[in-house]
Amino acid sequence: GAGVSQTPSNKVTEKGKYVELRCDPISGHTALYWYRQSLGQGPEFLIYFQGTGAADDSGLPNDRFFAVRPEGSVSTLKIQRTERGDSAVYLCASSLTAGGGDTQYFGPGTRLTVL
Amino acid sequence: AQKITQTQPGMFVQEKEAVTLDCTYDTSDPSYGLFWYKQPSSGEMIFLIYQGSYDQQNATEGRYSLNFQKARKSANLVISASQLGDSAMYFCAMREGLGGYQKVTFGTGTKLQVIP
Repeated sequence: GAGVSQTPSNKVTEKGKYVELRCDPISGHTALYWYRQSLGQGPEFLIYFQGTGAADDSGLPNDRFFAVRPEGSVSTLKIQRTERGDSAVYLCASSLTAGGGDTQYFGPGTRLTVL
Repeated sequence: AQKITQTQPGMFVQEKEAVTLDCTYDTSDPSYGLFWYKQPSSGEMIFLIYQGSYDQQNATEGRYSLNFQKARKSANLVISASQLGDSAMYFCAMREGLGGYQKVTFGTGTKLQVIP
């Protein structure tokens, strides 16, 4: 079956611009996660959705970052007034539920470069 | 304190040999799960293996096995019969608590290079 997909695969933008990153999870997965991965680091948690609601957004670095999942499937991560420090790979993952040993399956990521 | 520690930034292994990638973790929760992921240069994180804290047996998945030493809080990944395609970054991760949602925390990774 289809895995997690993310678009675009690469995004180059200028400082101060607004960007949207899209994630399409595995069909039937209720849990969706966004991570940010900087060079040489492991993924860093940003936000978790259970269904349509953001159940844990404690990883969002500041109020320039926002994410939605209006119909409980596709999610969009939105970054306002981008800064050079936002440059990273943004990974999306989904799991069947959010408990126990449920495995998170990752998409290929979106590489964001802020010039 | 780091929840997940991977002390080997890089490792080399000869093709067809076995290799062990180290991972130690820190938690006071008796219920937790441990994961290993592979990240090739393409960037996608590929799930390899899972071990629950109450599992009696060490997890195995094909050429991957997890050497789980609970008292030492270590969860080393063993790859047997290394292949060139095993060259990648490997991340150890932990979820504290097994009921309901808990965040997953990742280590900094180990870069494995398989030499022909």
